[in-house]
Amino acid sequence: SAVISQKPSRDICQRGTSLTIQCQVDSQVTMMFWYRQQPGQSLTLIATANQGSEATYESGFVIDKFPISRPNLTFSTLTVSNMSPEDSSIYLCSVKWSGELFFGEGSRLTVL
Amino acid sequence: AQSVSQHNHHVILSEAASLELGCNYSYGGTVNLFWYVQYPGQHLQLLLKYFSGDPLVKGIKGFEAEFIKSKFSFNLRKPSVQWSDTAEYFCAVSGGSNTGKLIFGQGTTLQVKP
Repeated sequence: SAVISQKPSRDICQRGTSLTIQCQVDSQVTMMFWYRQQPGQSLTLIATANQGSEATYESGFVIDKFPISRPNLTFSTLTVSNMSPEDSSIYLCSVKWSGELFFGEGSRLTVL
Repeated sequence: AQSVSQHNHHVILSEAASLELGCNYSYGGTVNLFWYVQYPGQHLQLLLKYFSGDPLVKGIKGFEAEFIKSKFSFNLRKPSVQWSDTAEYFCAVSGGSNTGKLIFGQGTTLQVKP
């Protein structure tokens, strides 16, 4: 299995600021994914991040708001920019490993 | 549009009771189907998956699910639940080659009373 570590695990942020979430995997993986889980709702894919190429964003998500980096095969970051209370969510990193999707424990952001 | 619907949002059972959680999906093509579980304070874990073949799939911890194509359903079952099965359960579907792109249902919170 793939072990995924996310930082921070939780944070409280002020409106208008930006926060970068880090995702570290213990194995080299081609495909990494960022999901969002808003309060009381299900998980929604934000973007797919492949090493060496630009991230692919899902409908409703844009690079200016959620810039993603993927510098190598074990690491990725997601930045939530110019935050508003509506961005309060759990953000999860996931990777595809041996045909299965593994998830990190998530980063719980609260925006005041 | 692709969607996944879980019928039960909150289920309360006594230990040893049987469990069935409903999941229906809407997708115009070949699908891969998943059930994930999230125990309190832990990350999402895969319970079981269906890609092809036998529509009755068995997963970890005694769970199973049956893919019924005509009903667009993938219900999760367990004959006898335990207190340790208390968790949130998510049904998910993917299609095509990008199986990392999952469409999740709203989730079902299962509470098992000892």
